[in-house]
Amino acid sequence: AQSVTQPDIHITVSEGASLELRCNYSYGATPYLFWYVQYPGQHLQLLLKYFSGDPLVKGIKGFEAEFIKSKFSFNLRKPSVHWSDAAEYFCAVGTSSNTGKLIFGQGTTLQVKP
Amino acid sequence: NAGVTQTPKFQVLKTGQSMTLQCAQDMNHEYMSWYRQDPGMGLRLIHYSVGAGITDQGEVPNGYNVSRSTTEDFPLRLLSAAPSQTSVYFCASTIRGIGANVLTFGAGSRLTVL
Repeated sequence: AQSVTQPDIHITVSEGASLELRCNYSYGATPYLFWYVQYPGQHLQLLLKYFSGDPLVKGIKGFEAEFIKSKFSFNLRKPSVHWSDAAEYFCAVGTSSNTGKLIFGQGTTLQVKP
Repeated sequence: NAGVTQTPKFQVLKTGQSMTLQCAQDMNHEYMSWYRQDPGMGLRLIHYSVGAGITDQGEVPNGYNVSRSTTEDFPLRLLSAAPSQTSVYFCASTIRGIGANVLTFGAGSRLTVL
């Protein structure tokens, strides 16, 4: 069965520091991979997605993620974190046969210290 | 465009009461789905629909009913609410085809069952 694991439930970084949020998935074929962000009190918004091609994908707000097939990973990175990045981040996987159905990870809450 | 609209935003129920969470989208999306969000568990799929008249169960369907009489609307019914259904509910929609896994979410409905 498909699954998504985000090993870090809560991460705290200082403003200006780099960020990496981990995501590992379980799926037999090449999946469609996503990172969503949920700012406090808001709904989920798409940060970036990977469907095929270049495994390094860039998203909004300076975020990027790298698909590493051999490691079943899709980690999210940002070179310099801003206080406004404080939010909950969700990794998700979908498949071509399950359109409209995503499997989400547990989420990682990011706190940014001034 | 309004996107995905959910009502109500907040609701408090007593155990055993019934209610319907409304979801409407104006993007002519064929696929619609309902997720519940619980702390530490990410988002879990309740029910989904690939078109009017077609629905299927997701990961956690027990206690919930859905129907899809029109493309635009996808209500979620709780027939006899239980405290375990206290959660935040998100409706989502997406198009058919290669972009079908990119979900547009509603703002959420926070339900408390006493």
